[in-house]
Formats: sequence, structure tokens, C-alpha cells
Amino acid sequence: NAGVTQTPKFQVLKTGQSMTLQCAQDMNHNSMYWYRQDPGMGLRLIYYSASEGTTDKGEVPNGYNVSRLNKREFSLRLESAAPSQTSVYFCASSDRDRGGGKLFFGSGTQLSVL
Amino acid sequence: AQKITQTQPGMFVQEKEAVTLDCTYDTSDPSYGLFWYKQPSSGEMIFLIYQGSYDQQNATEGRYSLNFQKARKSANLVISASQLGDSAMYFCAVHNYGQNFVFGPGTRLSVLP
Repeated sequence: NAGVTQTPKFQVLKTGQSMTLQCAQDMNHNSMYWYRQDPGMGLRLIYYSASEGTTDKGEVPNGYNVSRLNKREFSLRLESAAPSQTSVYFCASSDRDRGGGKLFFGSGTQLSVL
Repeated sequence: AQKITQTQPGMFVQEKEAVTLDCTYDTSDPSYGLFWYKQPSSGEMIFLIYQGSYDQQNATEGRYSLNFQKARKSANLVISASQLGDSAMYFCAVHNYGQNFVFGPGTRLSVLP
């Protein structure tokens, strides 16, 4: 079972470069999420998508854009990378939208912006 | 906005003993879910346990149990019979209906042999 697959696992960018992080889930989940994790700060939500065709900002959306391409795929784009975006990025999906609905996580992308 | 507090940045426990990791949360929504995740040094996020806000009994999953005190907005994780493999970061999280998952800052647990 693939679960949540995100690519790439590692990426190094120069300031000002752009890139897209890809995420796909094969569990038929409605909700998908992008988080970033910085040392000592836990996970902070960047964007989420409650269903296909909808996206909403989370706690730290500035500098990012997202696309919910279809029910399976939810991509995160950095248009002009900055050193402050150096972080570990996690994609996740959820099996319910009310109350419960545990998150299933991808393996993470370690991004360094020089 | 929801806020999750984990007051213990780091905890130590002796192997085979029990340990409690604290979590308090702030939400005005009557319907929500409480979660605990484990993150070992390898980096993956591992689901441990879930408690619904309307569940009458505390959740248990093997060696993990959740001490849920709704009036105090507290959801502490209890790990019984600690093992060396339990050494990791532990995150408490809250999911409100129609909103997003919010995570606490985490507690680093170290199990001593």
C-alpha cells in the first residue's frame, strides 16, 4: 500500500528559484494538507484542501501556492524561494472531515534554500 | 484559533516504567478529535491514538492510553512499560470539524536503559 507519496525527498534551491512539491494519495481521501516543520516548532499548516476543487490557507501560507489537481493529487509551489523556507515539508491526507479523521503522512521533503 | 500546549519540552523515563506526556488545548468547537503522533529520529509521523470529544471512555491502543479530561481541555498520553524504541518526539494535535489539524510543539521523550 503506497498511502501518501510525496516527491522529491531532498531538494536544494538557490534564493529566487521556483519549485513544486508533488503529493499523491491512493486512499480516496477527501482532505489533503501541506505542513512545514521547523526545529522546536512542531508542524505548522501551510494550506489544506477539504475536497477536490477547494483550498484554504493555513497558519503560514505566505510565499506558497497550492493546486488540488484532482482527488488524488495536491501540489505545493514555491514561486520564489527564500532562505526562510528552508524546512521539512510534509503532505498528509485525512479519511474524514468531521471530528476524527486521522492524518496519514508522506515521508517528508527536506528543502534547503541557499 | 486553536492552540495546543505541551509544557514538557523534554522528558526522561526509565525503561519498563510508565510515563505521562501532557497536552492542553484551546478550542470553542464542541466537536473535535484529539490525536497523538510519534516522530522517531528517522522523521516519519506515526499515528498513535485518537479520542473523539464525545467519546465517553478514554481511548487505549496497546501500551498507549489517553487521559481525556474534557472540562479541563486536557488530553495526556500515557505510555506504559516504556521501551527503548519509544524514544522520539511526541506531538499532540486537535482536529475541528471543517477546519484544520493543529499540532502542539512536541515533547522529546528519552527512554533510559
